[in-house]
Amino acid sequence: AQSVTQLDSQVPVFEEAPVELRCNYSSSVSVYLFWYVQYPNQGLQLLLKYLSGSTLVKGINGFEAEFNKSQTSFHLRKPSVHISDTAEYFCAVSAPSGGYNKLIFGAGTRLAVHP
Amino acid sequence: DVKVTQSSRYLVKRTGEKVFLECVQDMDHENMFWYRQDPGLGLRLIYFSYDVKMKEKGDIPEGYSVSREKKERFSLILESASTNQTSMYLCASSFQGSSYGYTFGSGTRLTVV
Repeated sequence: AQSVTQLDSQVPVFEEAPVELRCNYSSSVSVYLFWYVQYPNQGLQLLLKYLSGSTLVKGINGFEAEFNKSQTSFHLRKPSVHISDTAEYFCAVSAPSGGYNKLIFGAGTRLAVHP
Repeated sequence: DVKVTQSSRYLVKRTGEKVFLECVQDMDHENMFWYRQDPGLGLRLIYFSYDVKMKEKGDIPEGYSVSREKKERFSLILESASTNQTSMYLCASSFQGSSYGYTFGSGTRLTVV
């Protein structure tokens, strides 16, 4: 079975500073990895995903994530954050299967960008 | 633009009422999901459906039921609403196969008084 751990429940950062949101997963098989963002009072929106190939994945809004198989990590980064990046971020994992598509979500990391 | 539409953004219901939360997707997705989201608890899966008329319990199905009579529509039913069901409810859908992410609706914030 897969599981996801987001190591920080809250990350405060100043505007224009870099940020890294950490995600570790556990799985005995190859996985697909996702990052979602949730702005206040909205649903979740896909930021980026890793399926295979290059371990550096670029997403929307200037975010990128790096898949590290040996560390079982998929950390999300942005070199310079804006106030508008304030949101909750969820890491998720799924495993290849012939059946239904079930994502396992982490508990979320609340990113607070301060002026 | 592909969409998952939840019928209400905000809903206030009384204890004991039967509550229907509706979700419609226009992407011909096989899978549909209902989650609730509470502060500090993340997303918790209530029920999901991988085909019309098929349903599976998630992690917290107690007090809820679901209906999927058509492929595009997945309804969550609170048989007798209670105050501990006050929450944000999120619907999602996806294609079959684990390489597809989910598309989420905007959520319904339900308050039971």
